[in-house]
Amino acid sequence: QKEVEQNSGPLSVPEGAIASLNCTYSDRGSQSFFWYRQYSGKSPELIMFIYSNGDKEDGRFTAQLNKASQYVSLLIRDSQPSDSATYLCAGGGSQGNLIFGKGTKLSVKP
Amino acid sequence: GAVVSQHPSWVICKSGTSVKIECRSLDFQATTMFWYRQFPKQSLMLMATSNEGSKATYEQGVEKDKFLINHASLTLSTLTVTSAHPEDSSFYICSASQGVEEPQHFGDGTRLSIL
Repeated sequence: QKEVEQNSGPLSVPEGAIASLNCTYSDRGSQSFFWYRQYSGKSPELIMFIYSNGDKEDGRFTAQLNKASQYVSLLIRDSQPSDSATYLCAGGGSQGNLIFGKGTKLSVKP
Repeated sequence: GAVVSQHPSWVICKSGTSVKIECRSLDFQATTMFWYRQFPKQSLMLMATSNEGSKATYEQGVEKDKFLINHASLTLSTLTVTSAHPEDSSFYICSASQGVEEPQHFGDGTRLSIL
């Protein structure tokens, strides 16, 4: 069964620190990976997607993909209390669907 | 870009009522639309996948006669919860995608409460 695994957390970091969120996946056929942010009571919001090995940066966010290790990560620099949310990692499925992890809850303390 | 509109945001109704939820992609054509359900403090659960003009594919354990999905065009999909009961109360979220390996863009969700 295709799976995406994430540590459920909570991950607690002080304001201004780097938050590191990690994810592993089982399906070697997945070509695309996505990070979503979900605030409590809201729907998921796409933050970043990555298709190639290496790093992809967008503002304070950096996504990293290592297909050999089947590992995806999201770094959030200069973390803010407003970054406190659940972060969902997802891998592309062969049917056009996404395989979601259960999410990591991030708490940024002022 | 990539805006998905979902209506209504909130529904409160009596047991036995049927409820229709609309999901529209406003600025792109969605090859595939997805319907999820999320209970409080739990993970997203995929209910069904629908492609325009085709029958929806339901996940195991989801009753297709209870959760009717219509995907009439590349920009509109509807989910009808038929004869809803209190146990159907949940947060229903749709998403839309332009193709395989493409991101899914989510609507704002519909909070359904059945009394």
